[in-house]
Amino acid sequence: DADVTQTPRNRITKTGKRIMLECSQTKGHDRMYWYRQDPGLGLRLIYYSFDVKDINKGEISDGYSVSRQAQAKFSLSLESAIPNQTALYFCATSDSDRAEAFFGQGTRLTVV
Amino acid sequence: GDSVTQMEGPVTLSEEAFLTINCTYTATGYPSLFWYVQYPGEGLQLLLKATKADDKGSNKGFEATYRKETTSFHLEKGSVQVSDSAVYFCALRVNTGGFKTIFGAGTRLFVKA
Repeated sequence: DADVTQTPRNRITKTGKRIMLECSQTKGHDRMYWYRQDPGLGLRLIYYSFDVKDINKGEISDGYSVSRQAQAKFSLSLESAIPNQTALYFCATSDSDRAEAFFGQGTRLTVV
Repeated sequence: GDSVTQMEGPVTLSEEAFLTINCTYTATGYPSLFWYVQYPGEGLQLLLKATKADDKGSNKGFEATYRKETTSFHLEKGSVQVSDSAVYFCALRVNTGGFKTIFGAGTRLFVKA
């Protein structure tokens, strides 16, 4: 089983709809992250959380919100999806300041 | 601000060729440096890392040396295989209001048999 699991893996939704992407981890890590990947732009940080009570905006948080329901769960919401939010979304975790990040397999979201 | 710049792709090589993917960074303080690899349809995986100047990270025949004087962390492999075809991301981890990882744009590598 994967250490970091994202659901759904693929989703097509209509403009204006609310959608939630979910992430769960079995690593026991405190730190969790949401990134989006666009061609030629690498990964850009949307939100990050260093523990259940600590949530921070990343570089591209507009149009997104998150919820850290438990140490192991971190969900990303698009309250009103728009086409330029079409991207590949990755959840990641890490356990310390200089450690590597562990990634989920990604969620491909298409907004039509 | 903190940033990572890596060479644009795609890079196309024949099997057994030598690979270099350039990566330079800008950061305050002393970042840790990473190379991640993304195979088709998968998430990113750590390939190698270096946490201080002059450290060399290595894994699966890939190497990269943390060069503080040139702010670089170039990825090299002496003999690539078809199975190395993937997207490679250079990244740094820096303490800017809490540790965060900053990624380069990625370099796609195609290896032909």
